[in-house]
Amino acid sequence: DGGITQSPKYLFRKEGQNVTLSCEQNLNHDAMYWYRQDPGQGLRLIYYSQIVNDFQKGDIAEGYSVSREKKESFPLTVTSAQKNPTAFYLCASSTPAGERSDEQYFGPGTRLTVT
Amino acid sequence: AQKVTQAQTEISVVEKEDVTLDCVYETRDTTYYLFWYKQPPSGELVFLIRRNSFDEQNEISGRYSWNFQKSTSSFNFTITASQVVDSAVYFCALRKNNAGNMLTFGGGTRLMVKP
Repeated sequence: DGGITQSPKYLFRKEGQNVTLSCEQNLNHDAMYWYRQDPGQGLRLIYYSQIVNDFQKGDIAEGYSVSREKKESFPLTVTSAQKNPTAFYLCASSTPAGERSDEQYFGPGTRLTVT
Repeated sequence: AQKVTQAQTEISVVEKEDVTLDCVYETRDTTYYLFWYKQPPSGELVFLIRRNSFDEQNEISGRYSWNFQKSTSSFNFTITASQVVDSAVYFCALRKNNAGNMLTFGGGTRLMVKP
C-alpha cells in the first residue's frame, strides 16, 4: 500500500535534548512538508522540500531543521532552541503543484511531548 | 496576505441532522485553490475536495456537498444526514496559484455527531 509513515506515534523527551521525527513516503512524490498542529489550532508550515537536496523554511522554522537526502525521506529535527516543542507534528507529500492530483497526502502524525 | 477563517470552532449535532461548516477566505489573487480536509481522531488528515477559483459549480459527493461563492469569499461544506463516523475536525485551506503547493489552513471546526 502506498502512503506516508511517521514514527513513532508518541515521543517523549526531556527539555534541552534534540529529537528527530521520521517521515517516509512511497508515493513517489517530489514534494514533502512538515506541519505543526497545536490544540484547537490549524496547521502551520515548518519546512517544505520540492525536490531532493533542496528545502525551504515555512512560517515557523525557528528551532527546527530538516534534510532531504532521499526522495522518500524528510526527517525533522526539533532542536533545543525550539521554545515550545510540545505539539502534534504532521508530515505530508505531494506531486508538484499544477499536476492533476497535486493535493497533499498526510501521514498519521507524531505527538511530541517535551518535559 | 492570505487568510482562512473557520468561525465555528465546535459544532454538535444529533445523528441524521444536516450540518454546514463555514469557511471564509481572504486573498488578493485571482487564481487560487480551495481545499477541505477531514482529521478523524486518529490524527491523519484526509483530503476531501479541491476547487479552483474559476469553477464556482457546487459539488456533491454522496452525503457531502460544497458551496463555493466567490462573491462572499466562502467555500462552505455541508454534510447531509450526518453519521457518528463524521465526527472529526474539518479544515478548510487555501493555496495561491504559482506558489508551489503551499497551503494556508483555517483553524478547523470540530464536529461531534451524537447517536
